[in-house]
Amino acid sequence: AQKVTQAQTEISVVEKEDVTLDCVYETRDTTYYLFWYKQPPSGELVFLIRRNSFDEQNEISGRYSWNFQKSTSSFNFTITASQVVDSAVYFCALSGQIKAAGNKLTFGGGTRVLVKP
Amino acid sequence: GAVVSQHPSWVICKSGTSVKIECRSLDFQATTMFWYRQFPKQSLMLMATSNEGSKATYEQGVEKDKFLINHASLTLSTLTVTSAHPEDSSFYICSAKKTGSWETQYFGPGTRLLVL
Repeated sequence: AQKVTQAQTEISVVEKEDVTLDCVYETRDTTYYLFWYKQPPSGELVFLIRRNSFDEQNEISGRYSWNFQKSTSSFNFTITASQVVDSAVYFCALSGQIKAAGNKLTFGGGTRVLVKP
Repeated sequence: GAVVSQHPSWVICKSGTSVKIECRSLDFQATTMFWYRQFPKQSLMLMATSNEGSKATYEQGVEKDKFLINHASLTLSTLTVTSAHPEDSSFYICSAKKTGSWETQYFGPGTRLLVL
């Protein structure tokens, strides 16, 4: 069974502070994909990143960066110099390689980020 | 791009009526679409996997006769909530995968359903 845990339910920061969202996953698959999605108050899920289990390189995209540590089964997400527009719920998700299962996504519980001006 | 739309964006209906929600992939073909349900301040719960031209695969605990799914084309899947009751009130979100690609799901904007 697959499981994704986001221990932080809510994080509140002041604008320009950095914020790191934790994500720990469990899977028996040797090949899998990890994702981060952003859900602003409007409700739509916005795709942020996909990471293949064989690619442990960290990635940076603007103010966003991701730290994939296979040894600790973690895929953490950092927002640098946070802005009010970053306020949203962020979901970490996991997809295995079992095509018969349709590559279903297993979501974490989400972390609500509130950036105060 | 990978744009997914949903219609309607929100709907209010009376108890006992049926409601149809459409999910469309606007700029790509999607053999597989997914339907999720999300309660306030909770995570997404997968309801079913919709495959074009075949029957949907429902998750355990999801009533097939209650939540009818039809995926008649490569760009359209519909979810019909039959004989809706207040407990069916929720936020319903669909996602779609590009045909030939099984990695990333692209999500629609969601449909808020309120059953009175």
